[in-house]
Amino acid sequence: EPEVTQTPSHQVTQMGQEVILRCVPISNHLYFYWYRQILGQKVEFLVSFYNNEISEKSEIFDDQFSVERPDGSNFTLKIRSTKLEDSAMYFCASSVRGVPYNEQFFGPGTRLTVL
Amino acid sequence: SQELEQSPQSLIVQEGKNLTINCTSSKTLYGLYWYKQKYGEGLIFLMMLQKGGEEKSHEKITAKLDEKKQQSSLHITASQPSHAGIYLCGADDQGAQKLVFGQGTRLTINP
Repeated sequence: EPEVTQTPSHQVTQMGQEVILRCVPISNHLYFYWYRQILGQKVEFLVSFYNNEISEKSEIFDDQFSVERPDGSNFTLKIRSTKLEDSAMYFCASSVRGVPYNEQFFGPGTRLTVL
Repeated sequence: SQELEQSPQSLIVQEGKNLTINCTSSKTLYGLYWYKQKYGEGLIFLMMLQKGGEEKSHEKITAKLDEKKQQSSLHITASQPSHAGIYLCGADDQGAQKLVFGQGTRLTINP
């Protein structure tokens, strides 16, 4: 069964360093998303991406964040200068179509720890 | 924007017992999604509901969306240890290309 994959599973970085989180969405999906979950808190939306453009972004997704689909398979989230409060589980998701009534399939997540 | 409130926040039940988890929305729901998350892992899609009164089942899990489309319930019959985890409800957010989530219900099954 097709699934969303993410690498790395764990990333430890120093405050101020750049990190790139990678995702391979399900191959026939057209919509891509990043969410994050700080320990003990709700899953929060960061950004959605369709047709090589950002469709929607949250207040969290400031200038320190960027997304890219560098080729036909990967979808990346870059954090330019990490802060302590960026420590969280980051989930990539993909769907065949956009909202409403779109089933989003999530990857296993990347646990980011900023020291 | 849409806000989702789940109850209870945690639930401990004896194996074999039935249980219900509720998800209440601040606004009319369009798509309502149930996911299961094991601690520290990704979200596994369970079911999507879209019409008022709709009910769907998968194995021993049944989810329903009420007629007014502001509340959904997830019911597990004859619970098993494999049902343990965190159940999350998610919803379309007023046409925005994103889902909003409830805070989750942590389910523990005691043997």
